[in-house]
Amino acid sequence: QVQLVQSGAEVKKPGSSVKVSCKTAGGTFNTYTITWVRQAPGQGLEWMGRIIPMFGTTNYAQKFQDRVSITADESTSTVYMQLSSLRSEDTAVYYCARVFSSWGSFYLEYWGQGTLVTVSS
Amino acid sequence: SYVLTQPPSVSVAPGQTARITCGRDNLGTNSVHWYQQRPGQAPVLVVYDDSDRPSGIPERLSGSSSGNTATLTISRVEAGDEADYYCQVWDISSDHPVFGGGTKLTVL
Repeated sequence: QVQLVQSGAEVKKPGSSVKVSCKTAGGTFNTYTITWVRQAPGQGLEWMGRIIPMFGTTNYAQKFQDRVSITADESTSTVYMQLSSLRSEDTAVYYCARVFSSWGSFYLEYWGQGTLVTVSS
Repeated sequence: SYVLTQPPSVSVAPGQTARITCGRDNLGTNSVHWYQQRPGQAPVLVVYDDSDRPSGIPERLSGSSSGNTATLTISRVEAGDEADYYCQVWDISSDHPVFGGGTKLTVL
């Protein structure tokens, strides 16, 4: 059974950084794409970026290009998402998800439980 | 880039059928996937590749796609179906998912 377990809630000051972890269990870690999606309070889903652990390749949404970094540690099957220069608008629940891809079909098959990041002075 | 259009809300009485649409130009060239997000929970995949269901998803939830519109149909609606529903396609050129704005299903 595939599980994605994320780190706990964080409270951060404006201008600081946050690093959220996503530990995967089940399946072969480095062959799947892990993507990050966030959801501000009362809002929809917003894609942030993704990593393919096997290759270490990343792709970021233009909106976050300058502030986000996604990394992977194969030894612990964990993916990290770091967001810097935090502002109040970054208050959101951050989700990691494993992407299923086959024959041109791509969807988010498994999701982590979400991590609430609150940015407040 | 892609824009997927969903109605903000749909309301239906218990036992009736709810239909949630997802529209986009040239949608027919993309596989559409649907997620259910109950309050305070993470999204869950309920339909993939337009009309397939992951194991454990009841047959009451079904998907279809025709022309520029995909539809998630929930038959015999129950109170537990009350949730936000999101459609999604993959932008191949930019290599990332695109989500619709979400539809809040209210069970009256």
